[in-house]
Amino acid sequence: GESVGLHLPTLSVQEGDNSIINCAYSNSASDYFIWYKQESGKGPQFIIDIRSNMDKRQGQRVTVLLNKTVKHLSLQIAATQPGDSAVYFCAENGAGNQFYFGTGTSLTVIP
Amino acid sequence: KAGVTQTPRYLIKTRGQQVTLSCSPISGHRSVSWYQQTPGQGLQFLFEYFSETQRNKGNFPGRFSGRQFSNSRSEMNVSTLELGDSALYLCASSLGRGSYEQYFGPGTRLTVT
Repeated sequence: GESVGLHLPTLSVQEGDNSIINCAYSNSASDYFIWYKQESGKGPQFIIDIRSNMDKRQGQRVTVLLNKTVKHLSLQIAATQPGDSAVYFCAENGAGNQFYFGTGTSLTVIP
Repeated sequence: KAGVTQTPRYLIKTRGQQVTLSCSPISGHRSVSWYQQTPGQGLQFLFEYFSETQRNKGNFPGRFSGRQFSNSRSEMNVSTLELGDSALYLCASSLGRGSYEQYFGPGTRLTVT
């Protein structure tokens, strides 16, 4: 089956610093990736996506980098704020045309 | 544009009972996927419906079933509930299948006692 893993289960950063959350995926044929943010008691919230024909995409304060050579995905959050504290998931659209999710990284922003 | 809605938000059932959960996708979205989220297993894919047809199915027993209506609203049913079915059930909608932005609802928290 698919395997989407996160390198670190928890991450703590100082407010104002940049955060980097990593994700490894296993299916080299996956053509689409999404990062989600999930706050306690809520459903996952779409943050940013990237297609396999790109290696970088920027949004508001967030950047996703895709390295297909090593099957690695990262989410960079600039000037991290307390409201960014949440669990972050990566998801890949892989075999069977379905999404596979990583286990999640819990980000804690220290004021 | 309204987001994905799920009802009910919370549900408590006893073992052996059955339950039906409902999901209304974003207007214009034709694909609805269901996921089970637990602390131990994370987000696991249940099934996906597109234009009233189940197009994809995860590795869950036959007690888990679903359907989609002509207005793209979807329901999932779990029969003969087990304690291990306690989870957050999430519905996600997208325009089509596969490589499209997928948006989640708030989920239904099911507790089986």
